[in-house]
Amino acid sequence: EVQLVESGGGLVQPGGSLKLSCAASGFTFSSRWMSWVRQAPGKGLEWVANIKEDGSDQYYVDSVKGRFTISRDNAKNSLYLQMNSLRAEDTAVYYCANWDVWGQGTLVTVS
Amino acid sequence: QALVTQPASLSASPGASASLTCTLRSGINVGASRIYWYQQKPGSPPQFLLRYKSDSDKQQGSGVPSRFSGSKDVSANAGILLISGLQSEDEADYYCMIWYSNAWVFGGGTKLTVL
Repeated sequence: EVQLVESGGGLVQPGGSLKLSCAASGFTFSSRWMSWVRQAPGKGLEWVANIKEDGSDQYYVDSVKGRFTISRDNAKNSLYLQMNSLRAEDTAVYYCANWDVWGQGTLVTVS
Repeated sequence: QALVTQPASLSASPGASASLTCTLRSGINVGASRIYWYQQKPGSPPQFLLRYKSDSDKQQGSGVPSRFSGSKDVSANAGILLISGLQSEDEADYYCMIWYSNAWVFGGGTKLTVL
């Protein structure tokens, strides 16, 4: 079964840091671009970051550039999102995804 | 102007068809774009429905009924998600997405009400 499982969300104070993890299974993780997408309460989907199959390139939405870092460990079939200098507006459910499979999401609350 | 625009809401009756549009900003050619469609119900993550570039380049999500289909209106520079034989369970938020400059760009979503 193809599956993405996020972890690491929680409550953090403004200016704090948090690292999200995503465990992938059921597909060849190392051959797929991976992404983080977030959804603020009651709002639509917002793409956050992409990373190439081998981790060589990363892309970010402007609002998180310089604060968030996407990374991956293909040996562990895992995707990460290091979030620093968190702001109230970063409060959202964060989804690990590739274009056809999404995790259940993990809630990040900055307050 | 947003890169991708969707109407905020749409209502349709059970058994009818619903056409959800995803309009690309001028300068982004819908003909060259692959449009991705997702369904999201309250409290659940988005589910991939289908992606559509052309009739020869399309992919249905696993387990997604054939009454969900994709097309394009090139004159309107828009992608279309057609849902036929509407059922109450189709009531949900629907998002379209395109790849643009190595990023994903989502439309704001359409809330479909089946009544």
